[in-house]
Amino acid sequence: SQTIHQWPATLVQPVGSPLSLECTVEGTSNPNLYWYRQAAGRGLQLLFYSVGIGQISSEVPQNLSASRPQDRQFILSSKKLLLSDSGFYLCAWSGVPGQGVDEQFFGPGTRLTVL
Amino acid sequence: GQNIDQPTEMTATEGAIVQINCTYQTSGFNGLFWYQQHAGEAPTFLSYNVLDGLEEKGRFSSFLSRSKGYSYLLLKELQMKDSASYLCAVLDSNYQLIWGAGTKLIIKP
Repeated sequence: SQTIHQWPATLVQPVGSPLSLECTVEGTSNPNLYWYRQAAGRGLQLLFYSVGIGQISSEVPQNLSASRPQDRQFILSSKKLLLSDSGFYLCAWSGVPGQGVDEQFFGPGTRLTVL
Repeated sequence: GQNIDQPTEMTATEGAIVQINCTYQTSGFNGLFWYQQHAGEAPTFLSYNVLDGLEEKGRFSSFLSRSKGYSYLLLKELQMKDSASYLCAVLDSNYQLIWGAGTKLIIKP
């Protein structure tokens, strides 16, 4: 069966510090991978998605970046965090669209607080 | 633009039935999803509709009318553990998931 891991679970960082959040998926090959952010009491905002190694699409211009160095690894980074970067960061995976597994499965999330 | 509307908050009584509505306007349609999200946790998949009609899964059912751009999630025999946010999401013509803001469901004893 497939599992998705995210770490760390919680993170408190000062403004201006760098960020690296990691997500890995097990039990599937060539997944679509997604990074979302959810502000308190709000819906999901898609940040990045990837259909393959090195292929990243950005949905929202901001000071965050994403990379996919391996098929089942997705990394979210920032060189300098802003207060507005605080939120609940969720990684998700799905199968190849239109081939049966269109639902997205989420990792446990990382709660980031920027002070 | 693409838009998904659902009520912000609903309140229901334990043991009762509640219906959470979702209306959507998207560029194309490849399916509609309902997710449950407990406070502080990740969303978990509940249901998927791609054809018109009702899909039943235990105490939860989901209905879709593509011509009306409308879906609902029906929760029966409500339990306290059903207190959560319920997210409606539509897969558009590019197979991108468009998310609603979620409906917070409060269950009272």
